[in-house]
Amino acid sequence: NAGVTQTPKFRVLKTGQSMTLLCAQDMNHEYMYWYRQDPGMGLRLIHYSVGEGTTAKGEVPDGYNVSRLKKQNFLLGLESAAPSQTSVYFCASSYSAKTGAVNNEQFFGPGTRLTVL
Amino acid sequence: TQLLEQSPQFLSIQEGENLTVYCNSSSVFSSLQWYRQEPGEGPVLLVTVVTGGEVKKLKRLTFQFGDARKDSSLHITAAQPGDTGLYLCAGGRVDGGSQGNLIFGKGTKLSVKP
Repeated sequence: NAGVTQTPKFRVLKTGQSMTLLCAQDMNHEYMYWYRQDPGMGLRLIHYSVGEGTTAKGEVPDGYNVSRLKKQNFLLGLESAAPSQTSVYFCASSYSAKTGAVNNEQFFGPGTRLTVL
Repeated sequence: TQLLEQSPQFLSIQEGENLTVYCNSSSVFSSLQWYRQEPGEGPVLLVTVVTGGEVKKLKRLTFQFGDARKDSSLHITAAQPGDTGLYLCAGGRVDGGSQGNLIFGKGTKLSVKP
């Protein structure tokens, strides 16, 4: 099993350009997440999905869109990139959260390093 | 808003020393996880604690969840250069709409020198 994979690994964009980051998981997880990681800021949730065809906003959703057309894939789009979106982007997936004793172990991909000039 | 304060932010020690990393909040969490992240890679789960007062050991690493489920600590005994990395704590939301979301601390960057 490959686990969680992300493409591309690196990308440089000019301000105003658009791009899509692809995340794929082969663990049959229901939940998928997109985070950005910036120095001194930790991991911040951009958008997440609790199942195929559903998405929801996280902590920092502005400037990003997502789609979950297939259970195994979660796409993150930047319609008009800005320098403030320079960051390392991580995708993660997990099983459905259980009620009661919740164990939300998330499995992370290797990340995409994006630079917006 | 649930927040997790992690300390220290940076830690540089010599091989063989002991250390403790803290993760504190004023909020209650359903669970607390510790992840380790190496440069250029994604975080990898080390342990999950779910019961107040719970202690788990993973070789030289000891994890503790506070009695009130608001704080946690990670203690490393006789640190080795291979322990170098970014340690992240993450709390599970207790609200009904959690949907698996975690609150992450900002991390502790550990450097263990030979």
